Amino acid sequence: KAGVTQTPRYLIKTRGQQVTLSCSPISGHRSVSWYQQTPGQGLQFLFEYFSETQRNKGNFPGRFSGRQFSNSRSEMNVSTLELGDSALYLCASKGRAGGETQYFGPGTRLLVL
Amino acid sequence: GDSVTQMEGPVTLSEEAFLTINCTYTATGYPSLFWYVQYPGEGLQLLLKATKADDKGSNKGFEATYRKETTSFHLEKGSVQVSDSAVYFCATNSGGSNYKLTFGKGTLLTVNP
Repeated sequence: KAGVTQTPRYLIKTRGQQVTLSCSPISGHRSVSWYQQTPGQGLQFLFEYFSETQRNKGNFPGRFSGRQFSNSRSEMNVSTLELGDSALYLCASKGRAGGETQYFGPGTRLLVL
Repeated sequence: GDSVTQMEGPVTLSEEAFLTINCTYTATGYPSLFWYVQYPGEGLQLLLKATKADDKGSNKGFEATYRKETTSFHLEKGSVQVSDSAVYFCATNSGGSNYKLTFGKGTLLTVNP
């Protein structure tokens, strides 16, 4: 079974631009969560989608948004990028069969200049 | 809120040494506990988990026991290898909210031959 995939793997943007990241979960998984990883703050929960609905949201500004499609693929969007948005963005999927275990993708590394 | 505290790194060991990485948590409800590992340039991989008190999770020679009385989930391995060099994260999905993981800051382990 293929794992969680994320595209692109690396991205360079400038301040003020916007960016869209994509995540394809493990086949059959309907829950997708997003995390931001930075050296200073560590791993922080952004939001979680299940069956195309955002179920929960972490403590991030409204510039961070997401959506999920009917095939469970998810996208995350960051508008008006700031230098502090430079991070590794990780997506994780969870399925009923796996219980509460979240399986992570390789991440998208975003650099904001 | 929920929190996870890991021992500060970095930890440097010689091959075949004994490893312990301490982890304590604060959580409501009946949390599950996890150890994830992150190799350089990669996402997170689930190493092991425990879902209730006194459970022992184990994988690849690593073990951790869910101790509710001390709110701890320490990671141990009897004989580390160079290939174990990575960052290790302790995490909880407390309060029955199985969508969100709260992570510790991570512990960098370097194993020298």
